[in-house]
Order: sequence, then structure tokens, then C-alpha cells
Amino acid sequence: GENVEQHPSTLSVQEGDSAVIKCTYSDSASNYFPWYKQELGKRPQLIIDIRSNVGEKKDQRIAVTLNKTAKHFSLHITETQPEDSAVYFCATKTGGFKTIFGAGTRLFVKA
Amino acid sequence: DTGVSQDPRHKITKRGQNVTFRCDPISEHNRLYWYRQTLGQGPEFLTYFQNEAQLEKSRLLSDRFSAERPKGSFSTLEIQRTEQGDSAMYLCASSPRMNSDTQYFGPGTRLTVL
Repeated sequence: GENVEQHPSTLSVQEGDSAVIKCTYSDSASNYFPWYKQELGKRPQLIIDIRSNVGEKKDQRIAVTLNKTAKHFSLHITETQPEDSAVYFCATKTGGFKTIFGAGTRLFVKA
Repeated sequence: DTGVSQDPRHKITKRGQNVTFRCDPISEHNRLYWYRQTLGQGPEFLTYFQNEAQLEKSRLLSDRFSAERPKGSFSTLEIQRTEQGDSAMYLCASSPRMNSDTQYFGPGTRLTVL
């Protein structure tokens, strides 16, 4: 069935270091891969996304890479700042309408 | 505020009662999603509307859950005969019409079933 696994569940980094979060998916028909950031008590917000015809996308300090063959994609945050502390969710969407989310990664950036 | 809105923000009910939540999507967004999120988990897909048509519903959704979007604008999610396991945050999201899968989430309705 459809499944998205996300690792690690918790990640603690020093301010200025990089953070990498990885997700694997099972449905080879998945064609859209968004990443959402959710701060405590707030709604999820899209931070970056990538489509299956692109291998990498970058937006300032945030980048996403996609390996369709291996069915995994990763979020990279460089030069982390305390305000990057939040829960990050990966997700996949197939040609249908359902979006499947990972279980989330709680990122702590220590000042 | 032109974002997605949800009402109520919090609901406490007793087991066995029915509850109804409302979602108002961003104006002119024709696609609307409902999700359920429990503590420490990602949002779990419940159902999807394109305009007024409910095009997909999670197989995990029991018959006690029903959703409507009668005029293709706001949507309601009803849970009948609530159970303690229904306690969760219920999120609504909307997407624009064409060529965009970006989902804009509402603040959610937190349901507590006693």
C-alpha cells in the first residue's frame, strides 16, 4: 500500500550546521513531493516542493533532492537558525488526489 | 485574513455525541482536503473535494464520518457517535484551480472526546 517513511524522528543540530531529513516512499506513481514545516500549535506550511521530472530544487538555505529510482527524497537545510526549529513533514502525491504524509521530524537548532 | 479558516477552533464533546466542523477555503480555490492529525504524527488524509464533488475518501474512514461541500465553497465534516479515538486535530486545506498542488492549511479544529 501507500507509505512514506521519514527519518530521523528527532534531529538536534548546532546553529549554523546543516540538517538533512530523509523520506522513502512506496508508490512508484508518486509525482509530487512537498515538504511542510509546522511550528508548535500552528498549521503546516509548505516550504519547498519538487516534481518527479526534477532531481533537485533549491530555495535560499533550503534544498530538496529526489531519487526516483531509489524512491527517496531529502530535505537539506544549510546554515540553520534557531527559528528553523519546528516539525518537518515530507509528503507524496500520486496521480490521484491523496497526499500521504510522513510521521515528521522534530528539528531542534541550538543557539 | 484571506487564508483558510476553520470553525470551531476547539470542541469538547462527550462520547456518543455528534459534532460538525466547518472549513472556509481561500476564495476561488476549487480543491479542498480534510485531514486528521494526532500528536506526533503527520496529517492523515480523510477526503478530497473538487468543487462540490467528493472525489476521494480514505478507506480508513468509518461510516460515522461524512463530509459535504454543497456549493463548492465552504465544507463541513460531521462525525456521528463520537468515540474517544476520534480525539485529534482536524485540518482543512485548499488548493488553487489549475496546475498547483500546493495546499494551504487552516488552523485546525481540535476535538476532544471525553
